[in-house]
Amino acid sequence: QQKVQQSPESLSVPEGGMASFNCTSSDRNFQYFWWYRQHSGEGPKALMSIFSDGDKKEGRFTAHLNKASLHVSLHIRDSQPSDSALYFCAASDTGNYKYVFGAGTRLKVIA
Amino acid sequence: GPKVLQIPSHQIIDMGQMVTLNCDPVSNHLYFYWYKQILGQQMEFLVNFYNGKVMEKSKLFKDQFSVERPDGSYFTLKIQPTALEDSAVYFCASSPHWGSYAEQFFGPGTRLTVL
Repeated sequence: QQKVQQSPESLSVPEGGMASFNCTSSDRNFQYFWWYRQHSGEGPKALMSIFSDGDKKEGRFTAHLNKASLHVSLHIRDSQPSDSALYFCAASDTGNYKYVFGAGTRLKVIA
Repeated sequence: GPKVLQIPSHQIIDMGQMVTLNCDPVSNHLYFYWYKQILGQQMEFLVNFYNGKVMEKSKLFKDQFSVERPDGSYFTLKIQPTALEDSAVYFCASSPHWGSYAEQFFGPGTRLTVL
């Protein structure tokens, strides 16, 4: 049983548009979230973390966490072709220090 | 930014052979991890390691798997003997801190193909 569900599987947005990703944890122990981005041939690289309820903004990236529903989202405004990549949600638990990853969302930004 | 290196990038071996995957973590990091990603599936935690010891391992970390970091050199994942289901991309990660808040830095992965 997957502990972290991620949607959509893939997404295409025009250059300058908004890209949005969703992630839900099914295990209340996993409530610390990270967003990672992986370009082809590279390892995942952290974009941002969110551990508290509400919004967290870093440049063009905004994450939102609702701890009651264990739902986290990531929004990229003014999307650029260089944002085209695989985006992973990773949840970390309170007791043991590992990530549980979602299946990823493949983003394509069309110029 | 900080980089984790993995050697080799690709490895093809015959079933039953031994393989060692090497990871060069970020220089001042003390906590190390291995993850496994089968093609088309999500990345899954294998093991974490600190101060010469395995701290936690998943059910994917079979008895044929072992990890070590002798004398501050590479952090290695050894599989002996290999099985067909071991074919996957293996990602190494390291972190400067321990805990839910710690960012993990990932290498580019080693693609292992077991024939």
